[in-house]
Amino acid sequence: NAGVTQTPKFRVLKTGQSMTLLCAQDMNHEYMYWYRQDPGMGLRLIHYSVGEGTTAKGEVPDGYNVSRLKKQNFLLGLESAAPSQTSVYFCASSYVGETQYFGPGTRLLVL
Amino acid sequence: GENVEQHPSTLSVQEGDSAVIKCTYSDSASNYFPWYKQELGKGPQLIIDIRSNVGEKKDQRIAVTLNKTAKHFSLHITETQPEDSAVYFCAPPPLQGGSEKLVFGKGTKLTVNP
Repeated sequence: NAGVTQTPKFRVLKTGQSMTLLCAQDMNHEYMYWYRQDPGMGLRLIHYSVGEGTTAKGEVPDGYNVSRLKKQNFLLGLESAAPSQTSVYFCASSYVGETQYFGPGTRLLVL
Repeated sequence: GENVEQHPSTLSVQEGDSAVIKCTYSDSASNYFPWYKQELGKGPQLIIDIRSNVGEKKDQRIAVTLNKTAKHFSLHITETQPEDSAVYFCAPPPLQGGSEKLVFGKGTKLTVNP
């Protein structure tokens, strides 16, 4: 039981490049989340999903898109990366709300 | 948006002392109030939570107290150990909607000095 896994662990992008972050969970959780964490800002919710095929905007959704085609996977896309998107990204999942289980994070640097 | 404040932002204690972190929220229709711990280089992990039908909950050296009238809940760590050094987040659900979303505070960095 791996819990929540994230791919990749670290990535460097140039401004304007695109990339997709992959989150996978093997706990059969309904809900999945993407957060970004910046120094002094805590965790801010980007997008979340309450079930396969559904997505919703969080606090800071601009510049990101998500897809939940399979229950176990939640993808976060950056179409045109900007230096302001340099951050650590965390994926989380929960059964039907409340306790969230987090992945190890993806460190993204946009030059 | 919802306003969640944690105090203090940093806390340094000697091993064996107690530590208290307070979380104040603007409003919440939820009855669920969790605390998360984030160790360096890892994702946050739930350490304790409380529901509004009780005022205090304990789990070994950690406890959480809730004052829903005053809109704050606090994390208490007794007999602190170096492995308690981490960043702690409160995460009350927002006013709108249920607990499918949480609003994280900015965190409190706790350092336990040996």
